[in-house]
Order: sequence, then structure tokens, then C-alpha cells
Amino acid sequence: EPEVTQTPSHQVTQMGQEVILRCVPISNHLYFYWYRQILGQKVEFLVSFYNNEISEKSEIFDDQFSVERPDGSNFTLKIRSTKLEDSAMYFCASSEGGRGTHEQYFGPGTRLTVT
Amino acid sequence: AQTVTQSQPEMSVQEAETVTLSCTYDTSENNYYLFWYKQPPSRQMILVIRQEAYKQQNATENRFSVNFQKAAKSFSLKISDSQLGDTAMYFCAFMGNDNAGNMLTFGGGTRLMVKP
Repeated sequence: EPEVTQTPSHQVTQMGQEVILRCVPISNHLYFYWYRQILGQKVEFLVSFYNNEISEKSEIFDDQFSVERPDGSNFTLKIRSTKLEDSAMYFCASSEGGRGTHEQYFGPGTRLTVT
Repeated sequence: AQTVTQSQPEMSVQEAETVTLSCTYDTSENNYYLFWYKQPPSRQMILVIRQEAYKQQNATENRFSVNFQKAAKSFSLKISDSQLGDTAMYFCAFMGNDNAGNMLTFGGGTRLMVKP
């Protein structure tokens, strides 16, 4: 069965450094998402992406964050200058279509640790 | 803004027994979707069951069923004949019909332990 994959599984970085988290969505999916989960807290929506542009973003997704689909397969989340509070599990998801009739398939996550 | 609340941080159940996980939500929308996701210890979230708010009939997927009470804004998950593989975090989630980005709003989760 097709899966969403994410690399790396764990990333350690120093405060102020740039990180890029990578995701390969399911191949025929058209909608892409990033969520994060700070340890012990809720899973929070960051951004959704469709047709090569951001569809919606949350308050968390400020100017330090950006997303890109650099080729036909990868979907990346960049954090320009990491802060300690960016430490979290970051989940990528994709769906074939929009709205709730189409399941969002989640990747296994990337654990980001900012020191 | 929508909120989703799961009031049971942890629950346990004996294998083969039935357990119900609670979820309430708050929204001003009339049409929306509700979901239960399972996150096993391997951390990959999997959709368990989905309910469309305009459907009065409760969704069922094998051993998993929901009790959807629209007026009460309640969406509980019942797991029948619990199996050891059901041990996981369970997240209730909401998606409004009004937002363009298909954003899921999650509850805080319930950690379910199935005991042999």
C-alpha cells in the first residue's frame, strides 16, 4: 500500500540554524499538509498546499516557515532560523482530494530537536 | 475557531471487552466532518473512522463505531472486542466545510491500553 515517507526520522540542530524537513507524498495525491506535535501537546495544523501554492496556514506558520514542492515528488518544510520552541514532531500528510471526503494520509514524522 | 476536547487522557480495557472514548467539539458550522485517528507506538497516524455531519446514521467500520450526537456536539468512539493491537493513542479530529485548506483540528488524544 502506498505510504507517505519522511526524512530524516530525527534531526538535531542548533538554535538559529536552518532546517529542511522532507516528505514524499503518495504519488497521485494533490493536497499536501504539515502538522506538528510538541511533546505532550495536541497535533497542530501548520499549512496546506495545493496547485503549487499555500491554501491555508495557521498562526504558527510565520515568516520563519516556508514550504516548497521542488519537483514532482518531494514536499519540503523549511524553518529559516530555528528556535528552541520549534522542537516537535513534524508530520507530513497528503490527500487525493480536498474536503473531508478524502482521507489525509500521514507520514511517520520527523522529530526535530533544537538545542 | 473550532475546538476539540478529549476528556480522557488515558484508558485501559481488557482484551475482548468494549471501550468507549469520548470527544466533544465546538463549532458554529452546520456541515463538517469528524474523524478518529489511531497513532500506534510506531507514530504513524491512521484513519480509523469518519463521520459526515449531514448523515444521521452513525459510521461503522468493523469493530469500530461512533455515537454521533450533533446537537450535543459529541462524537464518541466505541471499540468492540478489543485486541492487543488496538493499543495506541486515539485522536478525535474536526474538519469544517468552510475552510479552503482542509485543516484538521485535533483533540488532545486518549492513550488506550488493551490488557491481555
